[in-house]
Amino acid sequence: DVKVTQSSRYLVKRTGEKVFLECVQDMDHENMFWYRQDPGLGLRLIYFSYDVKMKEKGDIPEGYSVSREKKERFSLILESASTNQTSMYLCASSLRVRPQHFGDGTRLSIL
Amino acid sequence: AQTVTQSQPEMSVQEAETVTLSCTYDTSENNYYLFWYKQPPSRQMILVIRQEAYKQQNATENRFSVNFQKAAKSFSLKISDSQLGDTAMYFCAFMTFSGTYKYIFGTGTRLKVLA
Repeated sequence: DVKVTQSSRYLVKRTGEKVFLECVQDMDHENMFWYRQDPGLGLRLIYFSYDVKMKEKGDIPEGYSVSREKKERFSLILESASTNQTSMYLCASSLRVRPQHFGDGTRLSIL
Repeated sequence: AQTVTQSQPEMSVQEAETVTLSCTYDTSENNYYLFWYKQPPSRQMILVIRQEAYKQQNATENRFSVNFQKAAKSFSLKISDSQLGDTAMYFCAFMTFSGTYKYIFGTGTRLKVLA
């Protein structure tokens, strides 16, 4: 069974801090994704990666960056956290065109 | 640009009844995939059902089935014999690959099953 693990369920940070959200999958999936989920807006894609060291911007990449140094790990970085980045963050992985598998999510609050 | 629209923000259904969640999408692609995902309260999002656009036959998974109308760009989810455990947020999603992957999710429908 595929497991996607996000490092934290809840996280509280202060504005201006550099924030790292980590995601690890155990099924050798090529594709990994970071979304943010906000009420009434559904899931919006921030970044995705289709291979190690490869990344592509999603719909809302501003204020975020990503890192994929190993196939199983995909990190989302908030360079300088702001209050409008308070949200639920979901990581997902998939094998080629197959459905995505999601982590439990990280509820991030920026104070 | 591709879009996915779920026009019902909230719905409710009595236990054991049938409910249909609607989803429409817009694309100029011919090859794509459609999914319904379920996100129970405070729990992980999981796949409910998938449909490949090239397949005419509607997908079915136990009590869950879809009505896929390619020409109308409609992809509704029918839940039969609703159970309390079906209470969740349901997301319709569209995926295509033409050079790069494109995944688009709708805004979700919050379904509550009433005892």
